[in-house]
Amino acid sequence: DAGVIQSPRHEVTEMGQEVTLRCKPISGHNSLFWYRQTMMRGLELLIYFNNNVPIDDSGMPEDRFSAKMPNASFSTLKIQPSEPRDSAVYFCASSLTLGTQYFGPGTRLLVL
Amino acid sequence: SQQGEEDPQALSIQEGENATMNCSYKTSINNLQWYRQNSGRGLVHLILIRSNEREKHSGRLRVTLDTSKKSSSLLITASRAADTASYFCAPLMDTGRRALTFGSGTRLQVQP
Repeated sequence: DAGVIQSPRHEVTEMGQEVTLRCKPISGHNSLFWYRQTMMRGLELLIYFNNNVPIDDSGMPEDRFSAKMPNASFSTLKIQPSEPRDSAVYFCASSLTLGTQYFGPGTRLLVL
Repeated sequence: SQQGEEDPQALSIQEGENATMNCSYKTSINNLQWYRQNSGRGLVHLILIRSNEREKHSGRLRVTLDTSKKSSSLLITASRAADTASYFCAPLMDTGRRALTFGSGTRLQVQP
């Protein structure tokens, strides 16, 4: 299996632009998680889905962030409009319920 | 908080020595997982221990769990320079939010 796939791996954008991060979970996994990691705040859970349904989005920082999972093999995390404080590494992970989480390589986002 | 808290925050040892990291948590758990993160990379799952287990081994890793004290420890025996990384524990709650949350981790430095 290819593991969790994230794209792009790096993204540099200007403040105010829309950013879309993409994730393909491991086939057969029914849970998907989006995390953000910064030096200041560590690794934060933003949102997670179970069977394509958002279960807990309490970690989403504000309305500028949105996430979708239209099917079992694809999810997006969108930031609109982006701000410099959104600069971070964004990780996607997938798992079978209650099991091991498998992380993607991350998307390194820099908002200028 | 449902996240685990690792202790110590940083640990520096010589190659060949053992490294012990501790984790404390506050809620009733289904299982507890340990992850490793090399600099600039995603998290890699190391081991999962269920709430009804007390000890588990995987290669040079030994994990213990004491649910009465709400604590776990990770022991890496005969450490190698390649073990240099950050280590995180992640308790999975028994009920409610079924997602892992991560603490600040233990930064392990193994000197060759």
